[in-house]
Amino acid sequence: EADIYQTPRYLVIGTGKKITLECSQTMGHDKMYWYQQDPGMELHLIHYSYGVNSTEKGDLSSESTVSRIRTEHFPLTLESARPSHTSQYLCASSLGGLGEQYFGPGTRLTVT
Amino acid sequence: GENVEQHPSTLSVQEGDSAVIKCTYSDSASNYFPWYKQELGKRPQLIIDIRSNVGEKKDQRIAVTLNKTAKHFSLHITETQPEDSAVYFCAASILGAAGNKLTFGGGTRVLVKP
Repeated sequence: EADIYQTPRYLVIGTGKKITLECSQTMGHDKMYWYQQDPGMELHLIHYSYGVNSTEKGDLSSESTVSRIRTEHFPLTLESARPSHTSQYLCASSLGGLGEQYFGPGTRLTVT
Repeated sequence: GENVEQHPSTLSVQEGDSAVIKCTYSDSASNYFPWYKQELGKRPQLIIDIRSNVGEKKDQRIAVTLNKTAKHFSLHITETQPEDSAVYFCAASILGAAGNKLTFGGGTRVLVKP
């Protein structure tokens, strides 16, 4: 089934650990995005990608990094997790010139 | 960059009444304005969108209006039902530029009381 997937769904990790949040989509979309959202609050764009080997920083400063080696895969990495990184991270994708973005189910990250 | 402001932040309505959420944007180049609904614990989902060449769009009980001159757009929900309870986000984008990235408003928490 065409969809956008995120793993893990929940993650509790200690300060200083390196983590990678996975995002994959099977819809053939060229553009992908990462948002940070505290529950029920505003969505902040932290990274986006036009296509393979193209990544850009979003409007919210973030200590995370992303890569886009395959069209369907857009992982986000935190080299050293801190309690301030505790939040929900939503991945999204869109196709060509169409504006609609499809969101994944999110990863809820807690850094202790 | 684009700045989107959304009001009110919370809205409580009686079932069957109408709900109106308003957004303003700053970048006159923005040409695409979607609205997303996010139910508790779920992912945001597009419910309606409008492009700058259209002033109004309707889909069953929901409608969106756009005033390009004033740079504001609104979501109207008629005959509200308990399942309309959710957080609603407006957004603005320039399609064809910067990866079609969206700038979101702060969200409106809508509670429909039975």
